[in-house]
Amino acid sequence: DAMVIQNPRYQVTQFGKPVTLSCSQTLNHNVMYWYQQKSSQAPKLLFHYYDKDFNNEADTPDNFQSRRPNTSFCFLDIRSPGLGDAAMYLCATSSGDRGLMDTEAFFGQGTRLTVV
Amino acid sequence: GNSVTQMEGPVTLSEEAFLTINCTYTATGYPSLFWYVQYPGEGLQLLLKATKADDKGSNKGFEATYRKETTSFHLEKGSVQVSDSAVYFCALTLEYGNKLVFGAGTILRVKS
Repeated sequence: DAMVIQNPRYQVTQFGKPVTLSCSQTLNHNVMYWYQQKSSQAPKLLFHYYDKDFNNEADTPDNFQSRRPNTSFCFLDIRSPGLGDAAMYLCATSSGDRGLMDTEAFFGQGTRLTVV
Repeated sequence: GNSVTQMEGPVTLSEEAFLTINCTYTATGYPSLFWYVQYPGEGLQLLLKATKADDKGSNKGFEATYRKETTSFHLEKGSVQVSDSAVYFCALTLEYGNKLVFGAGTILRVKS
């Protein structure tokens, strides 16, 4: 049974039209991550939540925002998608108590975003 | 900065062939090293890990040894199967860190 669920699997949005991607988890993990993966490139961390604490990566564009209303759900908001934002977006979770040395990250299947 | 470099793919092998996927890293401090695998249509999942120098991670016939002197964590398997066809990602995290730094991934295709 899927433990990290991303919806939708495929999303097409118009240039400049706000879009929201969602992620839910049944693991009760306190850390949730959003990664951006462009074709043939490494997944790039955009930000993560440790409980309610939001941690933005220094090079994440302001166009990307996130919300975590509760432990189970996390959303990625792209305020004005550009053509360069077309990518696979990966959500992941971890228990976070002692970092990833002693645990593992669990990933969803990803949402492929197309910008037209 | 911290980074991971993997050999480019795709790697195409016949069933029962020996597999090596090279991975080297650059890190400040003492990283833990991981291999994640992504099967078609699925999310990334942990394959194996090693948390200190000379540790060997192993799972499902795959092995990788943490080599601090060469800053490497090469993935090996003695006899691949068609079901091993997937994308393999090498990654690191820093001590007690919660962030994974990934390599670009290597596509493995195994032919019967």
